[in-house]
Amino acid sequence: DAGVIQSPRHEVTEMGQEVTLRCKPISGHDYLFWYRQTMMRGLELLIYFNNNVPIDDSGMPEDRFSAKMPNASFSTLKIQPSEPRDSAVYFCASSYSEDYEQYFGPGTRLTVT
Amino acid sequence: AQKITQTQPGMFVQEKEAVTLDCTYDTSDPSYGLFWYKQPSSGEMIFLIYQGSYDQQNATEGRYSLNFQKARKSANLVISASQLGDSAMYFCAMRTGTASKLTFGTGTRLQVTL
Repeated sequence: DAGVIQSPRHEVTEMGQEVTLRCKPISGHDYLFWYRQTMMRGLELLIYFNNNVPIDDSGMPEDRFSAKMPNASFSTLKIQPSEPRDSAVYFCASSYSEDYEQYFGPGTRLTVT
Repeated sequence: AQKITQTQPGMFVQEKEAVTLDCTYDTSDPSYGLFWYKQPSSGEMIFLIYQGSYDQQNATEGRYSLNFQKARKSANLVISASQLGDSAMYFCAMRTGTASKLTFGTGTRLQVTL
């Protein structure tokens, strides 16, 4: 399997612009997770889906962040409008079930200037 | 609330030696899972090993083993015969109950020297 695929790998944008991060989970995995990693806050869960349905979005920072999973093989994380404090590495991960390990994508490094 | 603590910000080990990375956890849920991930300088997160709270034996995966001491709430990662490629950040994480979300520790940076 190709593993979890994320795009783009790097994104540089100006404050106020819309940013869309994309993720393709491992085929057959029912769970998809979005994490954010910063030096200050470490790794934190933003939202996760089970069978394309959002289960827990309590980690989403504010209304500027939104995530969708229109089908089992694709998810997006959107930030609109972006702010410099959103600069971070955003990881997507997937797992076969709730008890199994999560496999991470390579991450998207977002820089908002 | 669940919490993961990694008290060692950085560790050094000589090549071919064994090293233990500490992880303690706190949860009131009797059902939980403990995970270790490796993050090399390239940035990806690599799953290493898993231990379930009801598992009777310590988990092992190749050169990685998990020293699980339930009464002490510790889940230390042991890497045997360290290699230069083991130099990376190592994160301990926990999942509790039926929740799928992982709570991560702050990580330990391991440097393997010649």
